[in-house]
Amino acid sequence: AQSVSQHNHHVILSEAASLELGCNYSYGGTVNLFWYVQYPGQHLQLLLKYFSGDPLVKGIKGFEAEFIKSKFSFNLRKPSVQWSDTAEYFCAVNAREYGNKLVFGAGTILRVKS
Amino acid sequence: DAGVIQSPRHEVTEMGQEVTLRCKPISGHDYLFWYRQTMMRGLELLIYFNNNVPIDDSGMPEDRFSAKMPNASFSTLKIQPSEPRDSAVYFCASSPLAGGSYNEQFFGPGTRLTVL
Repeated sequence: AQSVSQHNHHVILSEAASLELGCNYSYGGTVNLFWYVQYPGQHLQLLLKYFSGDPLVKGIKGFEAEFIKSKFSFNLRKPSVQWSDTAEYFCAVNAREYGNKLVFGAGTILRVKS
Repeated sequence: DAGVIQSPRHEVTEMGQEVTLRCKPISGHDYLFWYRQTMMRGLELLIYFNNNVPIDDSGMPEDRFSAKMPNASFSTLKIQPSEPRDSAVYFCASSPLAGGSYNEQFFGPGTRLTVL
């Protein structure tokens, strides 16, 4: 079965610091990759997605992620975080042979200190 | 579009009672998903439908849980009887079918269920 690992459960940063959240998955076939964000008390929203093409994907709010196939990784980055980025971030993977299911990582809670 | 709509937003009930959660997907979306989110287990897929037909219910925890989708614009998740360990936030999501390729899921605001 496929699994998704997010390395850090809690991250605390000061404003303007750079962010990198790790995500690794176990499935070796063709995958679609996603990062979702959940702001406090709200529902999940899509930050960015990768299906094919350029492995460096740009998302909303200045976020980007890089797909490195050889490392089975899809790390999320932002060069300078803001207090409003405080949220929980979920990496998710779909392997096409598993149908339309998304498998989510455990999530990383980011707190940005102002 | 109003997005995925869920009701109620909050539900508090007593152990043993029946609970029904409701979801209205985005119009035109072919896929509907039910998830449960807890601190201990994170975000888990319970079941998903394609064109109103259940495709994969392997995530449904036990027979106390059931889900239906009588038409393209409505789905229910029922727990009977409810237990305290069912306390969680339940999310519904929908997804369009775009040329046969997988597409993103759009999430509803969730129902926070507390079973006393």
